[in-house]
Amino acid sequence: IQMTQSPSSLSASVGDRVTFTCRASQDIKNDLGWYQQKPGKAPKLLIYAASTLQSGVPSRFSGSGSGTDFTLTISSLQPEDFASYFCLQDDSYPLTFGGGTKVEIK
Amino acid sequence: EVQLVESGGGLVQPGGSLRLACAASGFTFSDHHMDWARQAPEKGLEWVGRSRDKSRGYRTEYAASVKGRFTISRDESKNSLYLQMNSLKIEDTAVYYCVRVTSVRGSDALDVWGQGTMVTVSS
Repeated sequence: IQMTQSPSSLSASVGDRVTFTCRASQDIKNDLGWYQQKPGKAPKLLIYAASTLQSGVPSRFSGSGSGTDFTLTISSLQPEDFASYFCLQDDSYPLTFGGGTKVEIK
Repeated sequence: EVQLVESGGGLVQPGGSLRLACAASGFTFSDHHMDWARQAPEKGLEWVGRSRDKSRGYRTEYAASVKGRFTISRDESKNSLYLQMNSLKIEDTAVYYCVRVTSVRGSDALDVWGQGTMVTVSS
């Protein structure tokens, strides 16, 4: 299953609402997670099952979608949110990541 | 505290072998699937493979890019996960992460990640 993320990068300001998308090449139901990665660090789970917020993750992060189209939204971008974001489908083996979206400071 | 600590990375020549280890603590190791994922320099993430949990017989799955060359195993007595890498290629150069998987209502959340260990394949 191919996972396509868009955009590959975006520039935004603190306080902005940002949304990025992940599209699967076939129906993956709601078997999708979103991960945040900062430079030199391991990825961190934000959302699983497409829309369930991982414990401890701020509520400004939200996920939606099912089937082939998914979105991750940050309602009000904070300085610590400038990072890369990856989606991962866990519907079938082999699991596959999207190419990532890098969020940069405008 | 739930923790995963990888070790065993280093420099190896093309065609060589390397064995990575991941020491797990703070949770019941046998209750969780365990994954390996990797990230080549300045590239995205790639899932490498999985050792399912004890209830599923520790069966393994692999990415096509490593199938037949890499083997995932566990030692429950040591709460450790291993990645045996043979016939290494230059394109296997990456940071390798050990990852805990928590299955929730049919979805697999990769919820705990180790700090990663660097593997460099070069002559």
